[in-house]
Amino acid sequence: QQQVKQSPQSLIVQKGGIPIINCAYENTAFDYFPWYQQFPGKGPALLIAIRPDVSEKKEGRFTISFNKSAKQFSLHIMDSQPGDSATYFCAASIEGGSEKLVFGKGTKLTVNP
Amino acid sequence: DTGVSQDPRHKITKRGQNVTFRCDPISEHNRLYWYRQTLGQGPEFLTYFQNEAQLEKSRLLSDRFSAERPKGSFSTLEIQRTEQGDSAMYLCASSSLGYRGVSEQYFGPGTRLTVT
Repeated sequence: QQQVKQSPQSLIVQKGGIPIINCAYENTAFDYFPWYQQFPGKGPALLIAIRPDVSEKKEGRFTISFNKSAKQFSLHIMDSQPGDSATYFCAASIEGGSEKLVFGKGTKLTVNP
Repeated sequence: DTGVSQDPRHKITKRGQNVTFRCDPISEHNRLYWYRQTLGQGPEFLTYFQNEAQLEKSRLLSDRFSAERPKGSFSTLEIQRTEQGDSAMYLCASSSLGYRGVSEQYFGPGTRLTVT
């Protein structure tokens, strides 16, 4: 049973475009939703995170939109650059306890010059 | 700040051999996690420590896997009698409980294991 479903699997945009990556979760106990960026051969790097008490969070060119009733959240990358080409993972966890992260399967983003 | 470090970065071993990986977390972090990532997949949780106590283990962690965190500092993950299915990237992450009200996990670069 996949607890966090991520789409699309891959995404190609032109420089300056706004790629959108979507995630849906099943467990309503999840209350922390981070996004990670991973380059080939590297570990995931924390990009931005949101908690369900807000519907949107912006950090630089990255924005998370959160829809609690639909159990969905998404990552938007404004003014995308070739350097943003990477694999992006959404994740979810439950505060308290282990706070282990449950990851989606990832989205490979390619930003063409 | 040196971040989370892992050693070795790459390990090639023959089936049936034992391997051990090391993780050094960010120094002030009291929580340490191990995840496994196979090609084209997201990381999957294996186990976690709070200080030196191992508090949760995933069903993915078979009896051939053992992890330790002596004195609540670095951690080791040992795989005994490796199988080809163990080939994966093994990731370590650390976090500090209570920082900004939530535990943000920071990952190391991983150890790529190839079992031949």
